[in-house]
Amino acid sequence: AQTVTQSQPEMSVQEAETVTLSCTYDTSESDYYLFWYKQPPSRQMILVIRQEAYKQQNATENRFSVNFQKAAKSFSLKISDSQLGDAAMYFCAYRSAINTDKLIFGTGTRLQVFP
Amino acid sequence: DAGVTQSPTHLIKTRGQQVTLRCSPISGHKSVSWYQQVLGQGPQFIFQYYEKEERGRGNFPDRFSARQFPNYSSELNVNALLLGDSALYLCASSPTLGARGPNEQFFGPGTRLTVL
Repeated sequence: AQTVTQSQPEMSVQEAETVTLSCTYDTSESDYYLFWYKQPPSRQMILVIRQEAYKQQNATENRFSVNFQKAAKSFSLKISDSQLGDAAMYFCAYRSAINTDKLIFGTGTRLQVFP
Repeated sequence: DAGVTQSPTHLIKTRGQQVTLRCSPISGHKSVSWYQQVLGQGPQFIFQYYEKEERGRGNFPDRFSARQFPNYSSELNVNALLLGDSALYLCASSPTLGARGPNEQFFGPGTRLTVL
């Protein structure tokens, strides 16, 4: 069975600074997707960034980028130029590549952004 | 375009009662998944439905059931409620089932269920 681990329950960052959130996962599959979701206090889960395991290039979306280390089964999220609106719970998630939409989530990291 | 909608927003029930939660996917989306998010934890997969058929089930007791209608909306039913069923129930929809490529899941705002 696949598992996702987020070892940082809480992180904090100063506005305009950079922060990295950690995620490790365990799987025997070779083809899968990894995601970072943001859940603000409004509860709506929002997709931040997606990485396909068969792509070696790290995904980037504006101020968000990932460091995907397939051999180490590591998938960290870097937020650059942090903004107050980035404050939220961040969840790392795993999905097998074929015939399922089932997401396996980590326990989350609460990110605080200070002015 | 409307996103995924869920009703009701909040619900309070007592132990032993039954509850039905509803989800309307984004127009054109045929796959609906349900997740339970207990306070302070990540969402846990309950069910996935695609084209009105159950295509996946998480590790939840038989008290939990769901169905998908011809218009792709879905209901989650929980019988004989326990205190531990108190959680945020999230619904997510996607265009197809586990397709390769950007088959992104879009989440609804959730239904907060409190069992007293």
